[in-house]
Amino acid sequence: DIQMTQSPISLSASVGGRVTISCRSSQNINTYLNWYQQHPGKAPRLLIYAASTLEDGVPSRFSGSGSGTDFTLTISGLQPEDFATYHCQQTDSAPWTFGQGTKVEVK
Amino acid sequence: QVQLQQWGAGLLKPSETLSLTCAVKSGSFSGYYWSWIRQSPGKGLEWLGEINEYGSTNFNPSLRSRITLSVDTSKKQFSLNVSSVTAADTGVYFCARERRSGSSWYYFDYWGQGTLVTVSS
Repeated sequence: DIQMTQSPISLSASVGGRVTISCRSSQNINTYLNWYQQHPGKAPRLLIYAASTLEDGVPSRFSGSGSGTDFTLTISGLQPEDFATYHCQQTDSAPWTFGQGTKVEVK
Repeated sequence: QVQLQQWGAGLLKPSETLSLTCAVKSGSFSGYYWSWIRQSPGKGLEWLGEINEYGSTNFNPSLRSRITLSVDTSKKQFSLNVSSVTAADTGVYFCARERRSGSSWYYFDYWGQGTLVTVSS
């Protein structure tokens, strides 16, 4: 299985701030990488697919980049509703696997 | 707006079979794969398996021997069974629609509300 490793596991940030979350895969996954946002008690929400394509309806303050084994999710201008846990996921090779999640908390 | 609604038993004893069903309340059932994903307490998300309208399936090898997936296209529903559950199967189970674009650009764009399943004697 392809292992997905996110860092940091948690971070604190302020409203209006900029957040960068890293996701690293154990092997080359091209750009077969997705990002999800999850609030407590809720289902995950697709933010970005194919490493950098914003899902319809997702604010432009979210952006994704990377290819191969290293990927980044950036939130520019953090809003109160952005405090949540973020997950990366690969679909290069089955079984599809997720990172362990990064919790973004209020500073 | 696509909506997925899921249901099933939330409390099981060890060795019993977990059964969940997910209904596509709006939107097309055809042309997609339909997945089950679980989230164990304090752990990340784990993809369990997927099925399409023709009954074609793919499974996570970690649970392949215990998982059964089925589909009822007339009702726009798909189901998950996990046999011989243990405490390690405790978690929140989600159903999700898998959209596919190109050779491997797959992503879960709609999710069910989640079902908490607890395995305890």
